[in-house]
Amino acid sequence: EPEVTQTPSHQVTQMGQEVILRCVPISNHLYFYWYRQILGQKVEFLVSFYNNEISEKSEIFDDQFSVERPDGSNFTLKIRSTKLEDSAMYFCASMGQGVGNTEAFFGQGTRLTVV
Amino acid sequence: AQKITQTQPGMFVQEKEAVTLDCTYDTSDPSYGLFWYKQPSSGEMIFLIYQGSYDQQNATEGRYSLNFQKARKSANLVISASQLGDSAMYFCAMREAPNDYKLSFGAGTTVTVRA
Repeated sequence: EPEVTQTPSHQVTQMGQEVILRCVPISNHLYFYWYRQILGQKVEFLVSFYNNEISEKSEIFDDQFSVERPDGSNFTLKIRSTKLEDSAMYFCASMGQGVGNTEAFFGQGTRLTVV
Repeated sequence: AQKITQTQPGMFVQEKEAVTLDCTYDTSDPSYGLFWYKQPSSGEMIFLIYQGSYDQQNATEGRYSLNFQKARKSANLVISASQLGDSAMYFCAMREAPNDYKLSFGAGTTVTVRA
């Protein structure tokens, strides 16, 4: 079965530092997403990416966040200057096209801890 | 307004018994997809089952079945013959075309299976 791969699985960073979270989505998928989940809370949408550009972003996704697909396979989320409240599990998701497409797979997540 | 409502924060079930997890959704779009995911304590999001809004039959995947009641806008997950390994958080999610196909998640239900 195809899978979405995220690295690293766990990252600890100092407040104010930049972090880059990496994802390798499923190759024939067209829609890519980042979600985050603060410990014990619901999964929140951050940003969607289609056709090499951001198609939608949530209010959480402010100027500190950016996404890229630099080489056609990797999909990255950058947080420019991390804050304590950015500590969360970050999930990359890869989906096929169309509401009727049943493929909506998540990576195993990156647990980001900001100290 | 909440798109996905899961009213049961936590449930206990005896091993080998069935359990039903409630999910109601809100959408005005006739075309949508409903997903259930399992999140064990290790944190990853595991896809369980999918139901499309135009599907005539209720979805089934092994011990998982989805009780889809379109008029009531409910999509309850039934886990039959519960096993200890089913102890996890379960999320209901909906995908809509007008929302860029992104998934909107409910708050989740924690299931604890007792031996």
